[in-house]
Amino acid sequence: ETGVTQSPTHLIKTRGQQVTLRCSSQSGHNTVSWYQQALGQGPQFIFQYYREEENGRGNFPPRFSGLQFPNYSSELNVNALELDDSALYLCASSLVSGKDSGYTFGSGTRLTVV
Amino acid sequence: AQSVTQLDSHVSVSEGTPVLLRCNYSSSYSPSLFWYVQHPNKGLQLLLKYTSAATLVKGINGFEAEFKKSETSFHLTKPSAHMSDAAEYFCVVTPYGGATNKLIFGTGTLLAVQP
Repeated sequence: ETGVTQSPTHLIKTRGQQVTLRCSSQSGHNTVSWYQQALGQGPQFIFQYYREEENGRGNFPPRFSGLQFPNYSSELNVNALELDDSALYLCASSLVSGKDSGYTFGSGTRLTVV
Repeated sequence: AQSVTQLDSHVSVSEGTPVLLRCNYSSSYSPSLFWYVQHPNKGLQLLLKYTSAATLVKGINGFEAEFKKSETSFHLTKPSAHMSDAAEYFCVVTPYGGATNKLIFGTGTLLAVQP
């Protein structure tokens, strides 16, 4: 059983650019959630995908978008990068809702915007 | 609205002494509660979860937590700290029901273990 894999592990982008982060969910999991963890803070929910559709969204602007593929892997896209987008981006997979089973997190992608 | 408050941003203990990390929650419904641990440059690992079964929940690595509805608390404890326990700990709530069971994280408690 493989865990959640995220790529790349580190990334440096310039303000105004666009970035795509990738996530492979744990085998058997069909739901993917993305979280943003700014330095010194707890992770904040960005959105969740289930059956290739967005299934809930946190308080993030539309320039944060995502995709889920038939194999349940996922992408997080951020357009028009801002300095405040610098953070650790965590992907979590679960089976259905994850309420009872919990979520499996990847190690994250550290994004730095300069 | 659901939320969690971690009462201590930093806790320092000596190796072999008890650990207590405090968490209060706010929820309109019966919540599911979790504790996650995050080691430096690593992802989040689930320590334990409460989902309306037994109020005393045992987790991995000797950690346990007790759900106290009257106090709206879910404190994390361990009888004897080990050096490897040094990490950041997050108390997490997810609301009952709803289509999206997003995790709502506290601000974290950084646990230092002194030799």
